[in-house]
Amino acid sequence: NAGVTQTPKFQVLKTGQSMTLQCAQDMNHEYMSWYRQDPGMGLRLIHYSVGAGITDQGEVPNGYNVSRSTTEDFPLRLLSAAPSQTSVYFCASSYGASFYNEQFFGPGTRLTVL
Amino acid sequence: AQSVAQPEDQVNVAEGNPLTVKCTYSVSGNPYLFWYVQYPNRGLQFLLKYITGDNLVKGSYGFEAEFNKSQTSFHLKKPSALVSDSALYFCAVRGEYNFNKFYFGSGTKLNVKP
Repeated sequence: NAGVTQTPKFQVLKTGQSMTLQCAQDMNHEYMSWYRQDPGMGLRLIHYSVGAGITDQGEVPNGYNVSRSTTEDFPLRLLSAAPSQTSVYFCASSYGASFYNEQFFGPGTRLTVL
Repeated sequence: AQSVAQPEDQVNVAEGNPLTVKCTYSVSGNPYLFWYVQYPNRGLQFLLKYITGDNLVKGSYGFEAEFNKSQTSFHLKKPSALVSDSALYFCAVRGEYNFNKFYFGSGTKLNVKP
């Protein structure tokens, strides 16, 4: 199994540009989520999904959109990039939405917005 | 509101000495607690979790954690540190009444010196 994969690994955008960060998992996990990691702030939840067709907002959803058309894929869209969105983005998945399941993380995407 | 606090940005220990990385939490209902480790330029890896039962939880790579409900703490411990344990450690919590969301601490950098 490849686990959780993310593309691209690095991306530089100009303010106002849009882009999609890709996330895929091959473990048939129902739960998927997106986080951003900023120095000194840990990981903050952007959006999450408990299954295909179901998404919800996390702590910091503004400026980001998600959709979940398949179990495997959970792309994150930046609608109009801003310098404040410079961060490292992690996708994660877990088996079901039960409280006892740990998450598996992808390798991350480092995004810089100029 | 749910939250996790890791009061130490950095912990320094000598190889062979015991280590402790502190974590306290605030959550509604029963807590479900997790520790993750992040090596440079990598995603997070699961170490261990507390769901219910014994307050001392054993996990990967010789790590263990002690759950203390009265002190709302979940400190990570290892009897004998290795240089290879040097990494960034994150504590995370899910709450019984809002278990679709993970809340992460700000992270603690562990430095193990030879």
